[in-house]
Formats: sequence, C-alpha cells, structure tokens
Amino acid sequence: KNEVEQSPQNLTAQEGEFITINCSYSVGISALHWLQQHPGGGIVSLFMLSSGKKKHGRLIATINIQEKHSSLHITASHPRDSAVYICADGGGSNYKLTFGKGTLLTVNP
Amino acid sequence: KAGVTQTPRYLIKTRGQQVTLSCSPISGHRSVSWYQQTPGQGLQFLFEYFSETQRNKGNFPGRFSGRQFSNSRSEMNVSTLELGDSALYLCASSLEPAGTGELFFGEGSRLTVL
Repeated sequence: KNEVEQSPQNLTAQEGEFITINCSYSVGISALHWLQQHPGGGIVSLFMLSSGKKKHGRLIATINIQEKHSSLHITASHPRDSAVYICADGGGSNYKLTFGKGTLLTVNP
Repeated sequence: KAGVTQTPRYLIKTRGQQVTLSCSPISGHRSVSWYQQTPGQGLQFLFEYFSETQRNKGNFPGRFSGRQFSNSRSEMNVSTLELGDSALYLCASSLEPAGTGELFFGEGSRLTVL
C-alpha cells in the first residue's frame, strides 16, 4: 500500500522567512505533485516532478528518488503564501494518486 | 482558455437519495479524475477516465460510479447516499493520465447529506 507522509502538519512563519515542507512516499512513483489549496478555495498545481529540481518564482521543489523524498521550499515567504500545501504520489505504473494529509502554512506579517 | 467547470457547486441531499455531479474538462484534455476531500481523510482518489475508459478506481464502494462522454465531459454518481458521503468532490483534468500529467482542478461540488 502506498503511503505519503508530510511534515510538518502545521507551520507558522514570519513574513520573509524561508519555508520547507517535506514529503516522503513509500513506493516508486511516476511523478510527484505539489498542490496548493487556499481556505475555501480550489486546488492549484504548483509542481509536477519525477527527478531533480524545479523552480517557479519564489517556490522550489526538489525530489530524491533513491530516498523517496521531496521538499517544497518557499523563499521570502509572504502572507499570501498562507494555504494548505499537499503532496501527491502519482502512483507508479497504476497511476493512482495518493495524497499526503497536507501542511497548513500560516505566514504572519 | 476556460478552466475546469464543475456543477453544481453546492447541493443538499438526504440519506438514501442519489446524486450526479458533472465535470467539464479543459478543451483538449482527455483525462478526468475525481477526488473526495473530507476533513478527516483528506484528499482521496475516486477514479479516473481517459478517452471514455475508466483507467483506475480508488477504494470506494460500488455506490460510487462515473462515466466519461465522447467530448471528455465526465459525470460521477453516488447512489444510496450516506451521511459519511458529505464531502467536497473535486475533479481534475489533464492531457496525460492523472498520475503523470499536470492536474487542473475544478472548484469542486460540496455535497451535504442530511
């Protein structure tokens, strides 16, 4: 059974701080997804990666296939980054997505 | 370019009834996947359709079903509703199969079962 573990569950930061959210998965993947969900809002895909590192603005996602671990970094955090961040394992050959429980990030001004 | 559209956005049903939710994907996307989100369980995969064929199904009872039409629009149906079916139901579309393609989510259909 594929399991996806995220840490921390909750994270409070001051504006400008560097943020790291971690994700571990238990089986091989086809792709690892990072998603963002604002309170009461829909879900937006931030990254999809199967190796290495991707960067978009202040957000950086990395993945280590051997260690089955991915991280999402936010540089120079801002209150508008406050949201739930969810990682999802693309499921390997069966393509069934398995989601982590999410990390609630609050960035205070 | 229009995004993913889900209807209805909100609905209230009573136990034992059935419900049908609709999802219109982004034009050109052949994959539509469905998810249930609850405070206790988080996001869970329901099923995925690709070019009108169900590719995968999550661990949900047979009361949950779906289909995809030739224009890629998809519907999901829940029969004999139970209180525990109250949730936000999300669909996502992608060019590639859901596990490997970038996902574009709809706003969701919030179902309340009384």
